[in-house]
Amino acid sequence: DAKTTQPPSMDCAEGRAANLPCNHSTISGNEYVYWYRQIHSQGPQYIIHGLKNNETNEMASLIITEDRKSSTLILPHATLRDTAVYYCIVRAIFGANSKLTFGKGITLSVRP
Amino acid sequence: DTAVSQTPKYLVTQMGNDKSIKCEQNLGHDTMYWYKQDSKKFLKIMFSYNNKELIINETVPNRFSPKSPDKAHLNLHINSLELGDSAVYFCASRLTESGANVLTFGAGSRLTVL
Repeated sequence: DAKTTQPPSMDCAEGRAANLPCNHSTISGNEYVYWYRQIHSQGPQYIIHGLKNNETNEMASLIITEDRKSSTLILPHATLRDTAVYYCIVRAIFGANSKLTFGKGITLSVRP
Repeated sequence: DTAVSQTPKYLVTQMGNDKSIKCEQNLGHDTMYWYKQDSKKFLKIMFSYNNKELIINETVPNRFSPKSPDKAHLNLHINSLELGDSAVYFCASRLTESGANVLTFGAGSRLTVL
């Protein structure tokens, strides 16, 4: 799997957009970018994933650069409840033996 | 209507004891996982089962034995508990045919070994 690099932490003001960067310069053509988050004392939660087109759902937007070497997760209006560790994971789509490997992630702190 | 439920949520026990953690999902998924999150917060996969068949078995001591009686349940039994087993254990599930690595996680079971 391609390795991902994320800053260890960042913060943003409540109500503002939170832009979380991720570098994956060795990504292969068949690998997707996944984002999960883990709010304190909870299980990880799937947010969004994409291959090369930008994606948006009710939680966030995912912007992938044209060369696919980096991506940005955007939380359009961050709330205090968005304070969490966010994991960027690169993985190809496989069958039952596919395993998702979590790195250190980026800790997002949303301040009032 | 919890999607992935784990019991117990908290477990405190003595070294050397044997304990089990249970996991059930009502999502109709066919693949289930156990992950371990240690005190440094790293999430590591331990096992996965697909339709009751063991698919992934990471380098985990033999004291850990998963069991899947059906595709909706995956239990984790730990023998001869050690201090280093203290961690939060997360169960997760996935629908394999979707292709995507979209896992639904449970709330976790915090195991403390004294």
